[in-house]
Amino acid sequence: AQTVTQSQPEMSVQEAETVTLSCTYDTSESDYYLFWYKQPPSRQMILVIRQEAYKQQNATENRFSVNFQKAAKSFSLKISDSQLGDAAMYFCAYYNTDKLIFGTGTRLQVFP
Amino acid sequence: DSGVTQTPKHLITATGQRVTLRCSPRSGDLSVYWYQQSLDQGLQFLIQYYNGEERAKGNILERFSAQQFPDLHSELNLSSLELGDSALYFCASSVGTGVEGEQYFGPGTRLTVT
Repeated sequence: AQTVTQSQPEMSVQEAETVTLSCTYDTSESDYYLFWYKQPPSRQMILVIRQEAYKQQNATENRFSVNFQKAAKSFSLKISDSQLGDAAMYFCAYYNTDKLIFGTGTRLQVFP
Repeated sequence: DSGVTQTPKHLITATGQRVTLRCSPRSGDLSVYWYQQSLDQGLQFLIQYYNGEERAKGNILERFSAQQFPDLHSELNLSSLELGDSALYFCASSVGTGVEGEQYFGPGTRLTVT
């Protein structure tokens, strides 16, 4: 069975600095998709970034980028130039055929 | 705003009761997914419907059922409610069967069972 692990329950970063959130997953599949979702205090689940496993190039969306290491089954999220609005729970998720499998989340605090 | 709507936003009910949660997907999306987010279980997939048909099932209890109607809105029915059913229930939608995994989430319905 596929699993997703986020080993950092909480992280903090100073405004304008860079922070990296870690995620590892376990799967025997070769084709799949990985996602980072953001859940602010409003509880809305917001898609941050997506990575196709068959693509070697790391995905980037403005200040958000990933480091995808397929062999190591690692999928970390880097947030550059952190802003106060980035404070939220961040969930890593794996998708293969029918459902998203989520990690337990990392709570990110951003200090001014 | 993802374009996915869920009603009601909050629901408070007693143990043993039955409730219905409603979801309208984004315009053009054929798939609807239901997820449960609780403190002890995290975010868990419950069930998926595609164009009116059940397509995938996750950790959904027998007391729970869902359906998708011809206009593509979906309802999640929870019966014989227990305290442990208190959670945030999300609906998500995607364009096709979800083969590429990109799902857009609604704002959720917070269910409190007392």
